[in-house]
Amino acid sequence: DAKTTQPPSMDCAEGRAANLPCNHSTISGNEYVYWYRQIHSQGPQYIIHGLKNNETNEMASLIITEDRKSSTLILPHATLRDTAVYYCIVSDGIQGAQKLVFGQGTRLTINP
Amino acid sequence: GAVVSQHPSRVICKSGTSVKIECRSLDFQATTMFWYRQFPKQSLMLMATSNEGSKATYEQGVEKDKFLINHASLTLSTLTVTSAHPEDSSFYICRTSGGAGTDTQYFGPGTRLTVL
Repeated sequence: DAKTTQPPSMDCAEGRAANLPCNHSTISGNEYVYWYRQIHSQGPQYIIHGLKNNETNEMASLIITEDRKSSTLILPHATLRDTAVYYCIVSDGIQGAQKLVFGQGTRLTINP
Repeated sequence: GAVVSQHPSRVICKSGTSVKIECRSLDFQATTMFWYRQFPKQSLMLMATSNEGSKATYEQGVEKDKFLINHASLTLSTLTVTSAHPEDSSFYICRTSGGAGTDTQYFGPGTRLTVL
């Protein structure tokens, strides 16, 4: 079973920052937080992952609370192409070979 | 460019026939491959995990005799849906991993199976 809770849907205006929350209150010490997104009828796309420090890459930023029980994915300047279902996943195991169990995700709609 | 391909991208078959879906790792050796399926408006469900040269490990509730997985090489895994029925109609997605200790992992573009 998925170990995360996400709002089922969110809306954001184009050009604004999209902040997607994720609750993972039962996360254990060796579990990473991963974010993927899936655009309609395509395979999931990796966005970012982290353990306890905040992370940033060319796509997004990941803010993890100090107690690691929740995190927020930030898309700084959302575009229409960012409309997708966003999945927050926690997973342990050896990086690269771990199972990724998907929850229901958040359907993000970027509005013009 | 794409690092994981799936073939075919779409397939329609008659009930009772078998369908083979290929997942190819194009730029790296995929030690581990994962197969998922996704029903309309639902999330991805992990079906099985396979390591090159060994038998696949299936998730609870997934029939290993119905969903045959072969991972005979480091660049190719196949999923065969045997005696397909309409309820097997789904979006099948593979995920490849370069193995433990690497960040190299990618999802394929998916295969849409429709069983009539």
